[in-house]
Order: sequence, then structure tokens, then C-alpha cells
Amino acid sequence: QQPVQSPQAVILREGEDAVINCSSSKALYSVHWYRQKHGEAPVFLMILLKGGEQKGHEKISASFNEKKQQSSLYLTASQLSYSGTYFCGTELSGNQFYFGTGTSLTVIP
Amino acid sequence: EAQVTQNPRYLITVTGKKLTVTCSQNMNHEYMSWYRQDPGLGLRQIYYSMNVEVTDKGDVPEGYKVSRKEKRNFPLILESPSPNQTSLYFCASSSSGRGGGEQFFGPGTRLTVL
Repeated sequence: QQPVQSPQAVILREGEDAVINCSSSKALYSVHWYRQKHGEAPVFLMILLKGGEQKGHEKISASFNEKKQQSSLYLTASQLSYSGTYFCGTELSGNQFYFGTGTSLTVIP
Repeated sequence: EAQVTQNPRYLITVTGKKLTVTCSQNMNHEYMSWYRQDPGLGLRQIYYSMNVEVTDKGDVPEGYKVSRKEKRNFPLILESPSPNQTSLYFCASSSSGRGGGEQFFGPGTRLTVL
């Protein structure tokens, strides 16, 4: 029931864009995105609810395809501060939460 | 300051010695949860609680117990720890478990079981 994330790792130069994908085999109620820097706790980025409502930041956006149970996180004009591991988190019909295995993003000058 | 606190931050123990990791939040959140994080496996939910006296199993509950006697506290109990429970543990809270919003994570507890 753990969602599958791709790619596992990506290296970008400052200013480049990136897309991180999250796919589930189960019907989703919501999808959350978090970023974790080394040695720190995960930090919330945004949530996408069933029905299409989207919340989040301006330079980091996301989509949620309910029919395919897929979500994508879009990072535009990447900055050094974007480096970290990105996790999608999925909420099923119950109240359990499943996180993906993470995508390591490294932004280099 | 709104926060989730965990104690201890680091713990080294031996197999079979009961331990408790405390978690407390000051945001009056209803939903609290425990996760373990292992390399390559991401974050896996151990137990969660929708409110006081309401707890339920997550994805990997074996070997763990929890209780929710007060809204702010959600301790994780390992009755007889084993080496495969060596991991990084995070407590998190949210205003609601049903898509209600972001989960706030504590700083983590790194547990080593010898």
C-alpha cells in the first residue's frame, strides 16, 4: 500500500526544473508532499485533496490525478535550498497514512 | 511556539529492556501518529490516534504499544525491544486525520537496540 515514487534520485543545476511522481495502487483520499533535509524532521509542503483542491507554495506546485491515483510535484527554477528528500504521503479511505520511499533531490550551483 | 516534542532524542538500549518514548504537542491537535524511518523504506506508520482514548494500528504495529490518555501526549512503548526496532522514530500531529491539513513532526528519536 506504500506509494511508489520516481525518480529515486535527481541532480539539478540551480534554475532547472524537476518533476517528482507518486503513484498508488489504492484509491486515495488525499496526497501530501513533504521535504526532509538531512538530520531534520520532514516539513509539510502541500496537500491535494480528492476533488481537486490544491494548496501549497507558489514556486512548488503539484497535481493530483484521481482517476490514475497519481500525483506529481513540480519544482520550478530550483534553488540550492530545494535540496533534500521529498516524500509523498497518501491517505486512504481509513485514517492510515502511507509515505513513499522518497526522492533525493540535489541542487548544485 | 507551536511544536511537537519528543524525548529522548537519542537512546541506546539492550534487547528486552522496556522503554518509552514520549511525544507531546501544544497545538491542541486531535490526530497524532508515530512513524519509523529506515534507509530505503521511507516513513512507515506504526500507530495513530484520532483523539483521546482512540488509537489504531498503522502499517507496522508489531512490537509497539501506544496510549492516548491526554490530548497532548502520545507515548510510544516498546515492551521488549529487539535489534530490528533500531530506527529513527518520529511523532507527528495534525488538526485532523481526514485530510485536515499538514502533519507537524517532532525532531525525531534515534533508537539503537543492542
